Amino acid sequence: SYVLTQPPSLSVAPGKTATITCEGNNVGSKSVHWYQQKPGQAPVLVIYNDIDRPSGIPERFSGSNPGNTATLTISSVEAGDEADYYCQVWDVSGPWVFGGGTKMTVL
Amino acid sequence: QVQMEESGGGVAQPGGSLRLSCVVSGLSFSSHGFHWVRQAPGKGLEWVTFISSDESRIYYADSVKGRFTVSRDTSRSTLFLQMNSLRPGDTSMYYCAVASPGLADYFLLWGRGTLVSVSS
Repeated sequence: SYVLTQPPSLSVAPGKTATITCEGNNVGSKSVHWYQQKPGQAPVLVIYNDIDRPSGIPERFSGSNPGNTATLTISSVEAGDEADYYCQVWDVSGPWVFGGGTKMTVL
Repeated sequence: QVQMEESGGGVAQPGGSLRLSCVVSGLSFSSHGFHWVRQAPGKGLEWVTFISSDESRIYYADSVKGRFTVSRDTSRSTLFLQMNSLRPGDTSMYYCAVASPGLADYFLLWGRGTLVSVSS
């Protein structure tokens, strides 16, 4: 089955840029989607189709997917961005596959 | 504003059954596919099942195939998950989610979840 690998954790200072990676075999050929999950809350879609933002998601959130590693970038990080972040793709073997999640701490 | 409210969670014994419901409002229920996704305590997200808008496509994760059944009732704008032969490993928060349009390859909106605990 298809596997997406994310770093378990990431720490970033307020105002800095956070980059969360999502590795998968030839993931650049797939559409990658990202979800934010704050403690005790349901996930929220923050990026879909590699680079698109749903309405209401700040421009500080951006995505890219150039090859074997997709990335979620959060610029000018705020305390309210502290959350778990999950990448996800559709693959025939899954078919809906999630990465293991990255816990982002804002210092 | 779209609202999705799950219910039906609780404590069940191994081998037991539960039926989850997800009432959807604020969108055209009949036009959308839906998923169930679960999350074990302290763990990541795991897709469980998908049902298309016209029920022509239904898929299950291998971990629940043959034990769980997804269904929908358009007249009540409600999604269901019948869970039989429950195992301790099924202990999770269960979320219903609206499928993205077209390919349904991502999860557009999520409910708040309902907690299922399987224990003797």
